[in-house]
Amino acid sequence: EAGVTQFPSHSVIEKGQTVTLRCDPISGHDNLYWYRRVMGKEIKFLLHFVKESKQDESGMPNNRFLAERTGGTYSTLKVQPAELEDSGVYFCASSQVRGDEQYFGPGTRLTVT
Amino acid sequence: GNSVTQMEGPVTLSEEAFLTINCTYTATGYPSLFWYVQYPGEGLQLLLKATKADDKGSNKGFEATYRKETTSFHLEKGSVQVSDSAVYFCALGRGKLIFGQGTELSVKP
Repeated sequence: EAGVTQFPSHSVIEKGQTVTLRCDPISGHDNLYWYRRVMGKEIKFLLHFVKESKQDESGMPNNRFLAERTGGTYSTLKVQPAELEDSGVYFCASSQVRGDEQYFGPGTRLTVT
Repeated sequence: GNSVTQMEGPVTLSEEAFLTINCTYTATGYPSLFWYVQYPGEGLQLLLKATKADDKGSNKGFEATYRKETTSFHLEKGSVQVSDSAVYFCALGRGKLIFGQGTELSVKP
């Protein structure tokens, strides 16, 4: 069974540009989560999808971040325009049932210069 | 709100040494507690979990007990190996996870 995959693994962009991160959860997992780790600090929750619906987006930093999950399968996280403080590692995780173990992807390292 | 405080690193140990990484939490309700591990170049993996007070999670020689009276979930291993070198994260939640800041462990031969 394939695990959670994320693309790209690393992205370097200039301030003001747009970047789109993609996450493919484990097949059949209705719950999809985005997290971010900035500058070696704690991993922070961004948002939670149940199928295609946003269940909780309380962790989204501001309106420069837009997450979608079309058809309840893969998800994208767009940052537009990117700022220097957006640099960090973005993790995606999925679970079959809310509260179950979450399976994490390898992360996307975003560097904004 | 809920929070997790983890022992700061980096921690450097010799092979076969005893490991403790402290984790304390503040929470409302009865969340599950987790330890995740990130090996170099890899994603986060669940190491162990406990879903209620007094539960002990264990895996790969690591153990942690959900202590409600001390609001703690310390990670322990009796004899570490070089292959245990990684970053360890304590977390709590049911669904949305709250993480500690991570503790980097380096084990020397």
